[in-house]
Amino acid sequence: QSVVTQSPSASGTPGQRVTISCSGSSSNIGSNPVTWYQQLPGAAPKLLIYGNTQRPSGVPDRFSGSRSGTSASLGISGLQSEDEAEYYCAAWDDSLSGPVFGGGTKLTVL
Amino acid sequence: EVQLVQSGAEVKKPGESLKISCKGSGYRFTSYWIGWVRQMPGKGLEWMGIIYPGDSDTRYSPSFQGQVTISADKSTSTVYLQWSSLKASDTAIYYCASPGGYSYGSVAFEIWGQGTMVIVSS
Repeated sequence: QSVVTQSPSASGTPGQRVTISCSGSSSNIGSNPVTWYQQLPGAAPKLLIYGNTQRPSGVPDRFSGSRSGTSASLGISGLQSEDEAEYYCAAWDDSLSGPVFGGGTKLTVL
Repeated sequence: EVQLVQSGAEVKKPGESLKISCKGSGYRFTSYWIGWVRQMPGKGLEWMGIIYPGDSDTRYSPSFQGQVTISADKSTSTVYLQWSSLKASDTAIYYCASPGGYSYGSVAFEIWGQGTMVIVSS
């Protein structure tokens, strides 16, 4: 069981905005920046958000991140069919002295 | 182009040893940390450990300490993940990943290998 938890599934229709949440503790999300990854079916994960809110070059601004206390959220606006994927949050954990991943949220575009 | 290219799929029997590889190119190999991530069938991502090829500084997740060995060969710009005695529960896809210019502690792994499928079955 992950020390960082995510809802297993989320869904939305094209054009809609969806939010994916991630909950941790004071030793990870509460004290370290959060990262989000997108994993399309059959592909390697792709860095989507780092430093809680920053987008790497090439990531559309439809994707946004936020953090509050020991929780974080990934927002996807203008939902598109190609956004259907698994989304993972991650953060450094001070107790484990290493990264921890959330269990993942499968996003379905209806 | 900065990339990590992993070795091909493996099918092994329980008790056998295995070493899979991840070759870096397009950047100064000794400058970027490279880590390994496990993804068991239908499951999420798990952090295994990481190495800094410049000085072979290696860190392991407590869950994987003693279970695997991570090493690097600067002469071939390659990082390895090895097992001395495989178990069926090692069946998974293994990804190498690097934070590139980001710090290791940022957990911002911007460069990923394509993954290596390891199947352990009698």
